Amino acid sequence: GAVVSQHPSWVICKSGTSVKIECRSLDFQATTMFWYRQFPKQSLMLMATSNEGSKATYEQGVEKDKFLINHASLTLSTLTVTSAHPEDSSFYICSALRGQGGPETQYFGPGTRLLVL
Amino acid sequence: AQSVTQLDSQVPVFEEAPVELRCNYSSSVSVYLFWYVQYPNQGLQLLLKYLSGSTLVESINGFEAEFNKSQTSFHLRKPSVHISDTAEYFCAVRTTSGTYKYIFGTGTRLKVLA
Repeated sequence: GAVVSQHPSWVICKSGTSVKIECRSLDFQATTMFWYRQFPKQSLMLMATSNEGSKATYEQGVEKDKFLINHASLTLSTLTVTSAHPEDSSFYICSALRGQGGPETQYFGPGTRLLVL
Repeated sequence: AQSVTQLDSQVPVFEEAPVELRCNYSSSVSVYLFWYVQYPNQGLQLLLKYLSGSTLVESINGFEAEFNKSQTSFHLRKPSVHISDTAEYFCAVRTTSGTYKYIFGTGTRLKVLA
C-alpha cells in the first residue's frame, strides 16, 4: 500500500527557534499534499494545501510567514515553523494524494509532535 | 461550504457488542464520504469510503457504512467490536469536483470495554 512518512516524529525546541518537518510519499508521486494541525482530543484542522511547483494555498487564519511550506519535489513537502512559540506546540500531520484525475485516496503520515518550551 | 457533524464525542461499548458511530454532513453539492481511524499517537488511516454506486460500503475489518442521501448521513457500524477497535474515528467529506480539500468532523472516541 501507499506509505507516507514524516520526520521527525518528535521534536522539542526552545521558543524562538525554527523547526522543519518533512513529509515524504515513499512509493508514489504526489502533486498535492496537505498539512494539518491537531490539538489534543480535537479534529484535524487543515492549514494549507501544498502543490508541487507552486505556492502553497493557506487556509484562512493561518499565517503564511509563520508556517512556511515548500513542495520541492513530487515526493517531498516541508513545513517550517518559524520562530516557534509555546502556542505552536501541537501534533502536525501531513497527507499526500494518490491517483489524482479520478477519485483519489488521501494517505496520511504518522504525524510529528512539536513541543516548544 | 461543507460541514461534518459527529454528535458523539465518546462511545463506550462492551466487547462483542454492536456499535454505531454517527456522521451527518451538510453540502449544497455532491460529495465523497470517508471514515478514518486514528490510533493513539499515530496518523489517520482510511477505513472506508463512498464514491459512487452501492450506498453500503464495507471495510476489511468488519466495519460498514451506509450513505443516506436524504438524511445526509454516513453512519459507521460494526456488529461485534473488539478491544483492538478502541480508537478515534473521523468522518470526512470532500466535493466531487473542484478542490481536493477534505473537511473533517470532530471525531468520535470509541472505547471498547472488556
